[in-house]
Amino acid sequence: DQQVKQNSPSLSVQEGRISILNCDYTNSMFDYFLWYKKYPAEGPTFLISISSIKDKNEDGRFTVFLNKSAKHLSLHIVPSQPGDSAVYFCAASAWVGGSYIPTFGRGTSLIVHP
Amino acid sequence: NAGVTQTPKFQVLKTGQSMTLQCAQDMNHNSMYWYRQDPGMGLRLIYYSASEGTTDKGEVPNGYNVSRLNKREFSLRLESAAPSQTSVYFCASSGRQGHGYGYTFGSGTRLTVV
Repeated sequence: DQQVKQNSPSLSVQEGRISILNCDYTNSMFDYFLWYKKYPAEGPTFLISISSIKDKNEDGRFTVFLNKSAKHLSLHIVPSQPGDSAVYFCAASAWVGGSYIPTFGRGTSLIVHP
Repeated sequence: NAGVTQTPKFQVLKTGQSMTLQCAQDMNHNSMYWYRQDPGMGLRLIYYSASEGTTDKGEVPNGYNVSRLNKREFSLRLESAAPSQTSVYFCASSGRQGHGYGYTFGSGTRLTVV
């Protein structure tokens, strides 16, 4: 059973517009949430994170929002650029066996059209 | 450049053959992880090592073994490869127990078992 769900396998937006990627989780023990970006034939790269004690974190064009009561987080990209076209993974981490262990969603493929 | 190095990048095995995937990080991270990525399945944790000398099973450990050789190196072994193990394998590491600081991934090993 998936603990981290990205229900939209793909998203297509126009350059300059906002991209909103969504993620839902089920485990209340998760205390850190992260977004990763992945290009084909490369490893995932860290994009932005948020602690469970916050509801918003911003880094340039990227903002992550966390709604703990709804167990939902979202990534906003404004404005979207063609170079943002990639697969985005949502991850949630919990303390397990001496380390924070991230659980990943299945990813959302974002295509930004020029 | 600092980061996570995986070898080999590509490998084709015959069913029943064995091989070891190598991973090394030079960031002095305590925790290391092995993931596999399959189409539509996201990243699934195979094994992790919270610190040197410890290893633990993740979500999909069957058919794999790991060795945390020292703080830098974490290897993944397939003793008797099966077609179901055809996948892209990613190694990752994290510092400060990965708490919100992200996980650094290698560029992956694409394994095909025929």
